[in-house]
Amino acid sequence: QSVLTQPPSASGTPGQRVTISCSGSSSNMGTNSVNWFHQLPGTAPKVLIYNNNQRPSGVPDRFSGSKSGTSASLAITGLQSEDEGDYFCAAWDDTLNVVVFGGGTKLTVL
Amino acid sequence: EVQLLGSGGGLIQPGGSRTLSCVASGFTFSNHAMSWVRQTPGKGLEWLSGISASGGTTYYAESVRGRFTISRDNSKNTLYLQISSLRAEDTAIYYCAKHPTNTVFLPPTYWGQGTPVTVSS
Repeated sequence: QSVLTQPPSASGTPGQRVTISCSGSSSNMGTNSVNWFHQLPGTAPKVLIYNNNQRPSGVPDRFSGSKSGTSASLAITGLQSEDEGDYFCAAWDDTLNVVVFGGGTKLTVL
Repeated sequence: EVQLLGSGGGLIQPGGSRTLSCVASGFTFSNHAMSWVRQTPGKGLEWLSGISASGGTTYYAESVRGRFTISRDNSKNTLYLQISSLRAEDTAIYYCAKHPTNTVFLPPTYWGQGTPVTVSS
């Protein structure tokens, strides 16, 4: 069971806006930054958002992140078929002294 | 371009040992903390161990503490993970990952391609 909680699945139609949530606690997301990753089958995770809401160069501005208290959200606007795959959140945990992950959300573009 | 090339995985017998390596390029390796993360279909992503940029501080998940050892050679731009006393449940894809700063307190931002480890007789 993952320390950070994500919905197991999400879906949307092309062009739609989708949000994925990530819930933690005061020892991880309450005090530390959250990253979001996208993973396609058979490939390594790729960062979409770091430091809660920062986008690396090359990541489209259709992707945005936010955090409030012990929860974070990833929003995807203008949904495209290439956005399908698994999405994970991650943060450092001050009590466990480890990086903790969400269980992942499988996004399907209908 | 940042590259992290993992190697050393393969088929290992239960109770066996192996050293995984990760060669970094495209950035100043000695300025960044590094970690090892594994992934299995059943358990998802599991962070195993991290090491500061200088190599002076290490962190371990409870599930591998005492069995796995992380180290780095900044002169060779290489990260290592010695894995030992292996069990079937250690079967996974092992990724090395780069942190954005010299400590592990910000999650990793770049992942290598992964090296598969299978523990089986």
